[in-house]
Amino acid sequence: KNEVEQSPQNLTAQEGEFITINCSYSVGISALHWLQQHPGGGIVSLFMLSSGKKKHGRLIATINIQEKHSSLHITASHPRDSAVYICAVVMRSQGNLIFGKGTKLSVKP
Amino acid sequence: DTGVSQNPRHKITKRGQNVTFRCDPISEHNRLYWYRQTLGQGPEFLTYFQNEAQLEKSRLLSDRFSAERPKGSFSTLEIQRTEQGDSAMYLCASSQGLATDTQYFGPGTRLTVL
Repeated sequence: KNEVEQSPQNLTAQEGEFITINCSYSVGISALHWLQQHPGGGIVSLFMLSSGKKKHGRLIATINIQEKHSSLHITASHPRDSAVYICAVVMRSQGNLIFGKGTKLSVKP
Repeated sequence: DTGVSQNPRHKITKRGQNVTFRCDPISEHNRLYWYRQTLGQGPEFLTYFQNEAQLEKSRLLSDRFSAERPKGSFSTLEIQRTEQGDSAMYLCASSQGLATDTQYFGPGTRLTVL
């Protein structure tokens, strides 16, 4: 079993829809990152969370440490949001990131 | 552009050859990470440096792999005697100094081993 699980693996939405991507992890962490990867490989960090909730534009990320679960929400989705969204955790005992497999989002106009 | 550069962007090599990749991090960043990503998978950790010290290596990093960061600035990742299973995207990232700091990723080097 992977230490970081994401769902769904693939997601197709219509422009304007509210989108939720989920991430569950099974290890003790010091922080959780949400990353965005566009075709061609470039990865951009969206959020780093250790508790609570963060908002940036149309993106909202939440984390529940007790339940070992995080969600990434996109409001008023747009075709330019189409990308792979990756959840990654920083384990308490280590310095590196452990990644989920990613959620491929496609937003249709 | 995140400020992290990697060279080359693409490398095609024959099985058994050695290859070397370079990563130039953001200049004030102390931590430098190497990851590998295969098609349809999330990145996997290979190794990381705090300044010039290599602090952690994944068990994925066989003895054919070696990484250096000689002056705490740029880093190189060398793969000796490449195998077809080494074909992947090799990603470099840098951060300021804590494990929880935001990591800034380079564009990656795509390796194809024929």
